[in-house]
Amino acid sequence: AQSVAQPEDQVNVAEGNPLTVKCTYSVSGNPYLFWYVQYPNRGLQFLLKYITGDNLVKGSYGFEAEFNKSQTSFHLKKPSALVSDSALYFCAVRDRTYNTDKLIFGTGTRLQVFP
Amino acid sequence: ETGVTQTPRHLVMGMTNKKSLKCEQHLGHNAMYWYKQSAKKPLELMFVYNFKEQTENNSVPSRFSPECPNSSHLFLHLHTLQPEDSALYLCASSQAVAGDQDTQYFGPGTRLTVL
Repeated sequence: AQSVAQPEDQVNVAEGNPLTVKCTYSVSGNPYLFWYVQYPNRGLQFLLKYITGDNLVKGSYGFEAEFNKSQTSFHLKKPSALVSDSALYFCAVRDRTYNTDKLIFGTGTRLQVFP
Repeated sequence: ETGVTQTPRHLVMGMTNKKSLKCEQHLGHNAMYWYKQSAKKPLELMFVYNFKEQTENNSVPSRFSPECPNSSHLFLHLHTLQPEDSALYLCASSQAVAGDQDTQYFGPGTRLTVL
């Protein structure tokens, strides 16, 4: 079965510093990987996805993620954090068969950016 | 705005009440999803509809009854709920199940409290 793991419940970073939110995956076949962000009292917003091709994927709000097949990781990164980036971040993997198609989400990582 | 709207945003109901959650998408998508987000638990997929047909029921109790009259609208009918059903209910849509355009776009959610 497809799964993702987010090993950190919370990540703290100072504004202006680079940030990394970790995600590892376990899939059979080629992985379709996603990152979503959830701000307080809001739904999930799509940030970026990896399907195939370039291992470095660029997304919204200056975020990027690096697909690493050997380490089965898909970490989310940003070169310079903003206080407004503080939110809950979810990694997800697509579980697709001939008759079903769903996203399997990680447990989420809360990012706190301090001024 | 993601193009997916949900009403109401907040709902408080007693265990004997009957209520409905509504989701509408303006993206021209053909697949719609209900998720449940509880505190400290991963997002749980509840139901999937593809071209108005239910393709996934993730062992959801019968007190939750989905309805998809057309590809733009999705309802979740609630009756005789339990306090543990209190959660954020998220609706999402995508181009189609098992299609190549696989990104799911989420609504803001309905915060449900069962007394």
